[in-house]
Amino acid sequence: DAKTTQPNSMESNEEEPVHLPCNHSTISGTDYIHWYRQLPSQGPEYVIHGLTSNVNNRMASLAIAEDRKSSTLILHRATLRDAAVYYCILRAAGGTSYGKLTFGQGTILTVHP
Amino acid sequence: NAGVTQTPKFRILKIGQSMTLQCAQDMNHNYMYWYRQDPGMGLKLIYYSVGAGITDKGEVPNGYNVSRSTTEDFPLRLELAAPSQTSVYFCASSPGDRSGNTIYFGEGSWLTVV
Repeated sequence: DAKTTQPNSMESNEEEPVHLPCNHSTISGTDYIHWYRQLPSQGPEYVIHGLTSNVNNRMASLAIAEDRKSSTLILHRATLRDAAVYYCILRAAGGTSYGKLTFGQGTILTVHP
Repeated sequence: NAGVTQTPKFRILKIGQSMTLQCAQDMNHNYMYWYRQDPGMGLKLIYYSVGAGITDKGEVPNGYNVSRSTTEDFPLRLELAAPSQTSVYFCASSPGDRSGNTIYFGEGSWLTVV
């Protein structure tokens, strides 16, 4: 599975935007970029995913570099509830991967009041 | 919909005991997964299933067994529990293996082996 690289931790103040980077230089043409987050003592939760174009949903935005070797998850106004571990994951289509997610260590986001 | 439901939420086992972690999903998903998460680490895949009657090993299958007799249920059995199996276990499901499909996780089962 292609690997991703994320900073170990980031900090933000409440109501400010947060940009969480992810490098994935070995991404293949059919890999989707997924972001999940894990709140304390909970299971991972889907945030957003994309292939080539930037994506927006009610939780966040995903900006994907033109060469697809990096992406950025954008939380437009961080709240205390956004404090979590954020995982950037490449998900391969079918084949021997069977759609499974391969987790790295993620980025611990701390949000200050 | 309940989504992915795991039981029990907490369990303490003695070394050498066996137990089954239950997982059920009500979304009619074909794909199901079991992950474990050790403190401060990301999740690692134990077993997965692509449909009823079909299972296969993931990254860390030793000490575990699974079965998939129905689409809804995917129990994980721990045989001869060892302290190294102290972890948080997450069950997950997905409608398919297409790379755009979302994976839905349960809330986790905390297991301590003493």
